[in-house]
Amino acid sequence: AQSVTQLGSHVSVSEGALVLLRCNYSSSVPPYLFWYVQYPNQGLQLLLKYTTGATLVKGINGFEAEFKKSETSFHLTKPSAHMSDAAEYFCAVTLNSGGYQKVTFGTGTKLQVIP
Amino acid sequence: DAGITQSPRHKVTETGTPVTLRCHQTENHRYMYWYRQDPGHGLRLIHYSYGVKDTDKGEVSDGYSVSRSKTEDFLLTLESATSSQTSVYFCAISESSQGTGELFFGEGSRLTVL
Repeated sequence: AQSVTQLGSHVSVSEGALVLLRCNYSSSVPPYLFWYVQYPNQGLQLLLKYTTGATLVKGINGFEAEFKKSETSFHLTKPSAHMSDAAEYFCAVTLNSGGYQKVTFGTGTKLQVIP
Repeated sequence: DAGITQSPRHKVTETGTPVTLRCHQTENHRYMYWYRQDPGHGLRLIHYSYGVKDTDKGEVSDGYSVSRSKTEDFLLTLESATSSQTSVYFCAISESSQGTGELFFGEGSRLTVL
């Protein structure tokens, strides 16, 4: 079984401040980990993903995440928040499950950026 | 942007009526998924398809059925809508079954059941 926990359903940061969104996972096999972003009234789009290799993954819009196996974490960070970063962020873990890609999403974190 | 179109984008219906949501893709991806999004629950898989006429249940499939007669179309049907099915429904597509592939999402269909 696999699961994803996102700490904090709402996070507020000031413009220019560090963004840190937390994600912890559980998986019985080595995980594939994703972060998706959802802007209002839109579908989700991929920010970044970890499959194998380097544990620090860089994504679009200046975001990055680090896979820490010992901590079962995949936290999302951005050094300096921009107003356009206001959105909802979803962490997800996936695995190959008998012929399809089983994706388990966290419950999401809404990021508010304060001017 | 991935070519995924959902219709209708908004629908209000009454309890007990049938509803069909359509997902149309132009990417020729093999795998298609229907999710529902509810506050506090994230996204939950309803049904998925791994090819034409090949479908299977997800974690919240009760009350829903699907059909895929062509690669590009994946239909979600609520045979008799209930208020608990008020939600935002997202179609997603993928070309991978290995767990490493990105999901591409449509813009969602907001369904209200009165």
